[in-house]
This record gives sequence, C-alpha cells and structure tokens, in this order.
Amino acid sequence: AQSVTQPDIHITVSEGASLELRCNYSYGATPYLFWYVQSPGQGLQLLLKYFSGDTLVQGIKGFEAEFKRSQSSFNLRKPSVHWSDAAEYFCAVGGNYGGATNKLIFGTGTLLAVQP
Amino acid sequence: KAGVTQTPRYLIKTRGQQVTLSCSPISGHRSVSWYQQTPGQGLQFLFEYFSETQRNKGNFPGRFSGRQFSNSRSEMNVSTLELGDSALYLCASSPTSGRALYNEQFFGPGTRLTVL
Repeated sequence: AQSVTQPDIHITVSEGASLELRCNYSYGATPYLFWYVQSPGQGLQLLLKYFSGDTLVQGIKGFEAEFKRSQSSFNLRKPSVHWSDAAEYFCAVGGNYGGATNKLIFGTGTLLAVQP
Repeated sequence: KAGVTQTPRYLIKTRGQQVTLSCSPISGHRSVSWYQQTPGQGLQFLFEYFSETQRNKGNFPGRFSGRQFSNSRSEMNVSTLELGDSALYLCASSPTSGRALYNEQFFGPGTRLTVL
C-alpha cells in the first residue's frame, strides 16, 4: 500500500541555520511528490512538487527538495531558516491509484520551531 | 483568481446531529477532494468528485457523504455526528483535465467542526 513517512515529528532550528526535513514514500510506480506547509489554523499551501524530470526541484519561500528514487526519499531543504518558517510541514504522494484521481496520501507532518 | 473557499469556517454541533459543509473550487477547476485532519489520524482522504461523480473514496463510514453540483461546487455531509468527527475538514480543487494524469491540488482554509 502507498504510504508516506516523516520520521521527525518535531524539529527546532535556530534562525539562519539550514534545514532538512525528511520524507520517505512507498509507491509502486513513479510517484508525484509534494511538500505542503500549514500555519496554525490555516489550510495547506503548496511549497513545491515533483512530477518528473530534474530531481532537484525549487519551490516558493526559498525551499528546495530532491527526489532520490534509490532511497525512496523526497527531502525538503532550506539553506537559511527565517522565523516566519515556523509551521507544520507535510510531505504527500499522489498517483494513479487504479484510476484517474487526484487523491493525496500525506505523511504525519513535521512541526518546525525556529529559535531566535 | 479567487482561491478555494469553504463555508462555514467554524461550526459547533452536538452528538447525533448532522452537518453540511460547503466548498467552492477555484474557477475552472472541475475536481474537488475532501480531507479530514485530526491530531490523532493526521490528514486523511475522504472522497473526490469530478464532473458531479464520485471517482474515489477513502476509508470512512457511510455517515460521510458528499456531492458535487454542475458548477463544480461541492458539499459534504456527516450524519449522526460522533465526538470523533471533531476535525478540520479541508477541501481541495484541481484543474484536472479528466485524463489519468495527476494534477496538483489547491487547498481551502478548512472548516473547523467541533462536536460536543
């Protein structure tokens, strides 16, 4: 069955430090991969996506992610974290689950705290 | 373009009641999906509608139902509410062409349902 694992439930980084959030997926074919961010009381905002092609994808707010098929990973990175990046981050996988669908399977999320 | 809108934003109901939530997709989007978000279960897919037809359904009891209208607006209904139905319900729309290709989803702010 398709699944997404985010091994880090909570991460704290200092402002200006680099960030890497881990995501591993299980999916039989080439997946469609996403990172979303959610601020408290808000909906989900798409940071970036991978459908095909270049395995290093750039997103909004200075985020990037790298698709590594051999490791079934799609880790999110940012070279310098800002206090406004504090939020919850979700990795998700989409695909053709036996038919045309836009269904997403989400990981459990990583809550990011940023220290001044 | 206006984003995905959901009404109401907050709702309080008591056990045994029923509730209807509404979602207006981004103009031109024909696919609407619903997700339930709870602290214990995370983000879970409820169902997806495309051109007024349900084309995918998650693992939820029959008390959860939905529909889509000809203008692509969607409603979801939960009957006989239980305490465990308290959650943030998120709607997402997608500019799907209807082919078996994945299309990214754009999320609304959600409806916070509290069941007492």
